[in-house]
Amino acid sequence: GQNIDQPTEMTATEGAIVQINCTYQTSGFNGLFWYQQHAGEAPTFLSYNVLDGLEEKGRFSSFLSRSKGYSYLLLKELQMKDSASYLCAVRETRRGDYKLSFGAGTTVTVRA
Amino acid sequence: GAVVSQHPSRVICKSGTSVKIECRSLDFQATTMFWYRQFPKQSLMLMATSNEGSKATYEQGVEKDKFLINHASLTLSTLTVTSAHPEDSSFYICSAAPGLAGARPYEQYFGPGTRLTVT
Repeated sequence: GQNIDQPTEMTATEGAIVQINCTYQTSGFNGLFWYQQHAGEAPTFLSYNVLDGLEEKGRFSSFLSRSKGYSYLLLKELQMKDSASYLCAVRETRRGDYKLSFGAGTTVTVRA
Repeated sequence: GAVVSQHPSRVICKSGTSVKIECRSLDFQATTMFWYRQFPKQSLMLMATSNEGSKATYEQGVEKDKFLINHASLTLSTLTVTSAHPEDSSFYICSAAPGLAGARPYEQYFGPGTRLTVT
């Protein structure tokens, strides 16, 4: 099984930086994904980490430490359109299905 | 590339009726499709995993006779909610995985979701 924890809500001002933490416990870890989801819409892919370290992609970066069961998503130069829910998802190899298990999501509100 | 569509986007039905939701991968073949349910302000909960040509694998607590899944081809999976009740009202999202042919092994591409309201 797995437990995926992330904060429920975060608020930041436009232009600032926000870091969303995610901790997990799982067997057969095979990658961690971050998704962005606007209200009423499907999740969209942001990042993927399977090895330890930092992956940078424009304003968004994601970090993974497998030994600590820990990841974070870093959002820089926040824009109003970044207001959304951010989902941490862990993939585990179980019966070869490569299922994703999602955290509850962190709602980020960007204020002017 | 990697576009997944769902139809319908919204549906309202009466209690006791059945509703079918379609999930299509438009520009790739999906060896596996997943069906999720999401209640307001909650995360996605996996309902079942569907592989083309075989029976779906349901998560614990999901009634297979109530949520019928058919994965008839490598580009189409359907979810039928049978004898729907108000508590089945939710946002249903499918995802499709191209398997080893994908850019990242078994990455999932999500459809836009279907909002089901049972009255």
